[in-house]
Amino acid sequence: GNSVTQMEGPVTLSEEAFLTINCTYTATGYPSLFWYVQYPGEGLQLLLKATKADDKGSNKGFEATYRKETTSFHLEKGSVQVSDSAVYFCALTTNQAGTALIFGKGTTLSVSS
Amino acid sequence: SAVISQKPSRDICQRGTSLTIQCQVDSQVTMMFWYRQQPGQSLTLIATANQGSEATYESGFVIDKFPISRPNLTFSTLTVSNMSPEDSSIYLCSVEVAGSTDTQYFGPGTRLTVL
Repeated sequence: GNSVTQMEGPVTLSEEAFLTINCTYTATGYPSLFWYVQYPGEGLQLLLKATKADDKGSNKGFEATYRKETTSFHLEKGSVQVSDSAVYFCALTTNQAGTALIFGKGTTLSVSS
Repeated sequence: SAVISQKPSRDICQRGTSLTIQCQVDSQVTMMFWYRQQPGQSLTLIATANQGSEATYESGFVIDKFPISRPNLTFSTLTVSNMSPEDSSIYLCSVEVAGSTDTQYFGPGTRLTVL
């Protein structure tokens, strides 16, 4: 079946450090891949997405590249800020209308000044 | 994208009671979903809310416990029935917008605590 595996957290970084959160997936066919972010006390926000192999999704300084050969979609940011502290979820969907998202367990990021 | 609101934003309820959560979207959407996020956990799909027909439930979720309505293309409700402390979770509504069938947008969630 389809699944998403994320690196376990929490991840604790100092401001301006480089961030990587690993995400790998198992899926039949060609899924679309997503990163969602959940700030403290808030709902989920779509951070970025990629719909086919070698696509790079980017937003707010975050990037992730759809790597079909390694079935990965790692999230990166060159210089994190305190305001990036949140829980990050990797997710996939199988590109069929009405298909639900399958989420990873989430990775908590804490950035200190 | 779509702007999604949920009511209530949070509630504290007694065991054995029921709570109905509303989800309103600012535009017509093709699909609406209900997810549960238990404390410290990821999101789990409860059901797909179908307009004009019965919801489609995931394994482990049943209509008697989580009845869902979707009377039109912009509104849905989820009821958590006969609540127990194990139902304490965040309940989130999400939608799929026409023309962007691979992307879901989420409401702010309803934080439910059952005593």
